[in-house]
Amino acid sequence: AQTVTQSQPEMSVQEAETVTLSCTYDTSESDYYLFWYKQPPSRQMILVIRQEAYKQQNATENRFSVNFQKAAKSFSLKISDSQLGDAAMYFCARRGAGSYQLTFGKGTKLSVIP
Amino acid sequence: GAVVSQHPSRVICKSGTSVKIECRSLDFQATTMFWYRQFPKQSLMLMATSNEGSKATYEQGVEKDKFLINHASLTLSTLTVTSAHPEDSSFYICSARQTGTGNQPQHFGDGTRLSIL
Repeated sequence: AQTVTQSQPEMSVQEAETVTLSCTYDTSESDYYLFWYKQPPSRQMILVIRQEAYKQQNATENRFSVNFQKAAKSFSLKISDSQLGDAAMYFCARRGAGSYQLTFGKGTKLSVIP
Repeated sequence: GAVVSQHPSRVICKSGTSVKIECRSLDFQATTMFWYRQFPKQSLMLMATSNEGSKATYEQGVEKDKFLINHASLTLSTLTVTSAHPEDSSFYICSARQTGTGNQPQHFGDGTRLSIL
């Protein structure tokens, strides 16, 4: 089975500090895509960052960056200079190169402490 | 940017009622749309893949006759929960993949909260 595991049900971070959310996955494919989605209380799914498995360079989007370790099948999300608006559920997701179906992890609830 | 509209955002109805949820891609064509279900404090579970002009592909354990999916045009997919019961209460989210965009990510609707009394 192609699974995505987020081992941290909840995390908290002080405002302006840095936090890292963990994600590991299982796949037999060599080419695939990884994503981090944010779901605030409004329940809308917002794409935070994506990574193509064939790219060695870690993706970055402003304050968000990933640490992609392909051999270890690890895909962690680092949020720098955390802001109150970052508080949300964060879901790690994977899809194969030949499929458009996403497999989601169980999510990590991030709280930002003012 | 690409926008997906999902309607209604909230439905409260009596047991036995059938409920239709619409998912529209407002500014792009979507050959493929996806329907997810999310229980409180849980992740999104894929229910089915909706393909324009053909039958939907359902995930294992999802009742086809219970959750009817129609994708009659490149901008609209509908999910009908037939004869809904309290156990069908959940948050339903759709997403759409823009046709011809290769590996671009899916765009999600805002979800529909379904409550069956």
